[in-house]
Amino acid sequence: QQQVRQSSQSLTVWEGETAILNCSYENSAFDYFPWYQQFPGEGPALLIAIRSVSDKKEDGRFTIFFNKREKNLSLHIKDSQPGDSATYFCAASWGSSGNKLIFGIGTLLSVKP
Amino acid sequence: EAAVTQSPRSKVAVTGGKVTLSCHQTNNHDYMYWYRQDTGHGLRLIHYSYVADSTEKGDIPDGYKASRPSQENFSLILELASLSQTAVYFCASSDGLGGSSAETLYFGSGTRLTVL
Repeated sequence: QQQVRQSSQSLTVWEGETAILNCSYENSAFDYFPWYQQFPGEGPALLIAIRSVSDKKEDGRFTIFFNKREKNLSLHIKDSQPGDSATYFCAASWGSSGNKLIFGIGTLLSVKP
Repeated sequence: EAAVTQSPRSKVAVTGGKVTLSCHQTNNHDYMYWYRQDTGHGLRLIHYSYVADSTEKGDIPDGYKASRPSQENFSLILELASLSQTAVYFCASSDGLGGSSAETLYFGSGTRLTVL
């Protein structure tokens, strides 16, 4: 049973478009939602994160939109660049989980020039 | 300079053999983790530790042991390697002391393990 679901395993957009990566979760106790970015041959690295008390978090071209009632969130990458091509993992944890993150299966984003 | 270093970067093992994957961190973090990555499954937690000489089971601990001899070092041990353990293994560390950065995981570059 997947506690954190990413609806697409792959997504292709053109350079300059906005890429939208979707994520949903089941456990209402989750209160921290990071997105990790992974390039081929490397380990994942934190890209941006949001807490359940907020509905939006922005960092440059990257924005998380969070809907607590619907238990879903999305990562928007504005003005996508070929260098954004990577796998993006949605993850979640809850306060007493001891920093244990539950990851989704990842979405492979390809940005075509 | 890489703060979480894994060794080896890749390894080929035979079924039934013993495999040890090593991880060393210079972040001075209390928490360390072992994840495995498989296509279609994402990252799944095998074992983790929040203090030296103590380890905890993650979500998929069967077939794996872990060892944390010091704050800096965390090993993953496959006593009897099986074909199903072919995967990429990632070690990570985190601060875990509270605050906005506490939950950030810092990953190593991974070890690609192939069991034949």
